[in-house]
Amino acid sequence: GQNIDQPTEMTATEGAIVQINCTYQTSGFNGLFWYQQHAGEAPTFLSYNVLDGLEEKGRFSSFLSRSKGYSYLLLKELQMKDSASYLCAVRVSGNTPLVFGKGTRLSVIA
Amino acid sequence: DSGVTQTPKHLITATGQRVTLRCSPRSGDLSVYWYQQSLDQGLQFLIQYYNGEERAKGNILERFSAQQFPDLHSELNLSSLELGDSALYFCASSWSGSSTDTQYFGPGTRLTVL
Repeated sequence: GQNIDQPTEMTATEGAIVQINCTYQTSGFNGLFWYQQHAGEAPTFLSYNVLDGLEEKGRFSSFLSRSKGYSYLLLKELQMKDSASYLCAVRVSGNTPLVFGKGTRLSVIA
Repeated sequence: DSGVTQTPKHLITATGQRVTLRCSPRSGDLSVYWYQQSLDQGLQFLIQYYNGEERAKGNILERFSAQQFPDLHSELNLSSLELGDSALYFCASSWSGSSTDTQYFGPGTRLTVL
């Protein structure tokens, strides 16, 4: 089967930096996505990694190591509005749908 | 706003009933995906359609069925509803359904089965 692990919950302080990890064990790999989901709302796309390394997009960065089956999402200068769930998802092969982790619920406190 | 629309936003019904959820993809997108999200569960993939044809199937129950119409909108039919079917149902769309496509999610339909 496909397995994607993320911490269930994290808490961080406004203005700080937080790293959300994702490890995956899948039968194949064809890209990793990060989505943000506020409670009761739709997931919104944050980033996509298919090659090893860091992708930076404003306050958010995502890193991938394919050999280690590992990714992280880095959020800088945290704001209260960043309180949400962060979903890691892997595309196992070119024609298969995404496999999602259960998500990490991030709480940003003052 | 992702451009994906879903109706209705909320649905309350009784066990044993049948409901239909509707999704319209973003303009130009050919692929539609349906997901179920229950409390404490991640997004569970149900089924994918591409240009009217079923492309992939996940853990979709036999009581559930879907189709994609010529105008590319999709409907998810849930029948013989059980309490455990209460969940958020999301539709997502992408251009072609290939590996580099980003999926864009609709606002979801919250189904409550009483």
